[in-house]
Amino acid sequence: QKEVEQDPGPLSVPEGAIVSLNCTYSNSAFQYFMWYRQYSRKGPELLMYTYSSGNKEDGRFTAQVDKSSKYISLFIRDSQPSDSATYLCAMATGTASKLTFGTGTRLQVTL
Amino acid sequence: EAGVVQSPRYKIIEKKQPVAFWCNPISGHNTLYWYLQNLGQGPELLIRYENEEAVDDSQLPKDRFSAERLKGVDSTLKIQPAELGDSAVYLCASSLGRRGNDEQYFGPGTRLTVT
Repeated sequence: QKEVEQDPGPLSVPEGAIVSLNCTYSNSAFQYFMWYRQYSRKGPELLMYTYSSGNKEDGRFTAQVDKSSKYISLFIRDSQPSDSATYLCAMATGTASKLTFGTGTRLQVTL
Repeated sequence: EAGVVQSPRYKIIEKKQPVAFWCNPISGHNTLYWYLQNLGQGPELLIRYENEEAVDDSQLPKDRFSAERLKGVDSTLKIQPAELGDSAVYLCASSLGRRGNDEQYFGPGTRLTVT
C-alpha cells in the first residue's frame, strides 16, 4: 500500500463547477500538507499549504485537512479552463523536507 | 527572480549510453532535490542535498546513478549506463531550508527517452 493514495482521474467538469480533489494517507507523522498544480510539460508549482487539521482558503481554492481520518481535500470554486492541469497532493513530516506525493489527478475544465 | 533552471529540457539516447542532467537552483537556496517522475505518477525523491552534502540518497540507484553538488550551488545527476526503464522526467527543486514547511520550487524538468 502506498503512503499516499490519490484518484488519478481524469476528471472533466464544465466551467463554473465546484471541483473536489482528495487524497488519503497512512503515515501519522505527516504534519505538512500541500497541493501542487502541474501544467503539461512543466514542473509542479505550490498552490496551497496547510499545517495540521483545519481549513485554509485562498481565493477560489480551499484546502482541508482531517488528520483523524488521514484525509485531505482541495476544493476549487468557479472552475476555469485555466485550472486544467494535474493536481498533486504532497505531504511532509516536521523534521525533514522530503515530500511524498500522490499520483496526481488530471483535471479538465471545459467551456 | 530566476527560478530553478534545468538543462537539457529533452534528451533522447540509446540504452547503455551515459547521460547527464544539470540544475541551477534559486540563488540562496541551500537545499536541492532531484526527483524522478514517471508518466502518470507523482515525483519521487532520488536525492536531497543540504549545501554540498547528500543527506538523503536512499532512493538513488547507486549502481548506475550518481549525483554531485560542487560548491553547494549547481548540481549534476548522471546515469551510466542508461536503461529503457530510466525513461522519465527528472525534476530538480530547491528550498531555502530543510524542514517540512520549507516551500520547494521546481524546475521544468528534463524529459529523458531511452531507446
